[in-house]
Amino acid sequence: DTGVSQNPRHKITKRGQNVTFRCDPISEHNRLYWYRQTLGQGPEFLTYFQNEAQLEKSRLLSDRFSAERPKGSFSTLEIQRTEQGDSAMYLCASSRREPGDEKLFFGSGTQLSVL
Amino acid sequence: AQSVTQLDSHVSVSEGTPVLLRCNYSSSYSPSLFWYVQHPNKGLQLLLKYTSAATLVKGINGFEAEFKKSETSFHLTKPSAHMSDAAEYFCVVIRGGTSYGKLTFGQGTILTVHP
Repeated sequence: DTGVSQNPRHKITKRGQNVTFRCDPISEHNRLYWYRQTLGQGPEFLTYFQNEAQLEKSRLLSDRFSAERPKGSFSTLEIQRTEQGDSAMYLCASSRREPGDEKLFFGSGTQLSVL
Repeated sequence: AQSVTQLDSHVSVSEGTPVLLRCNYSSSYSPSLFWYVQHPNKGLQLLLKYTSAATLVKGINGFEAEFKKSETSFHLTKPSAHMSDAAEYFCVVIRGGTSYGKLTFGQGTILTVHP
């Protein structure tokens, strides 16, 4: 399968712990996105990479959140000192830049539960 | 700012009957509009998109949507529902002129299909 892969699928952690999620995009895609989806809501944009450069960060992304894409391939999203409000599905998506025809492919997400 | 409002949080239909999922949008600039579907434990999948080429847009699995500027609507329809259509559907907007996939999602409509 050559789709967007996210690991782990589920993560349960205690409040105050750090967690890290990984996203492997489709190999030829140079754009990568992170979204967050809470129960009963649509996904919300968190951040966007073009190759290894992080070009936009949402105000939703507090100082406890950091995302990287060191070699322009896979990406990691780290949450430090987790809080119960961080419990959500974290979605990764990738795309290939095509003027006027951007199509995002989403992974199945990482479900985070903070106890 | 751009936004979408999905007018129904739940829609229930019988198999073989028409489907109508309603969406109104708000955007300061000419938007691109999309419908995505999310099946349980699967990634979001693009159903169709509108990017000003034609007001009636045909997508996958027999779905289509009509862009009505005068009504600021982008309703999703299907003539005959199938059991496999049961899922959550999201209306999505990108602000006109945005060169990357910063999507704004509606809150979602859960479609239930009865035998």
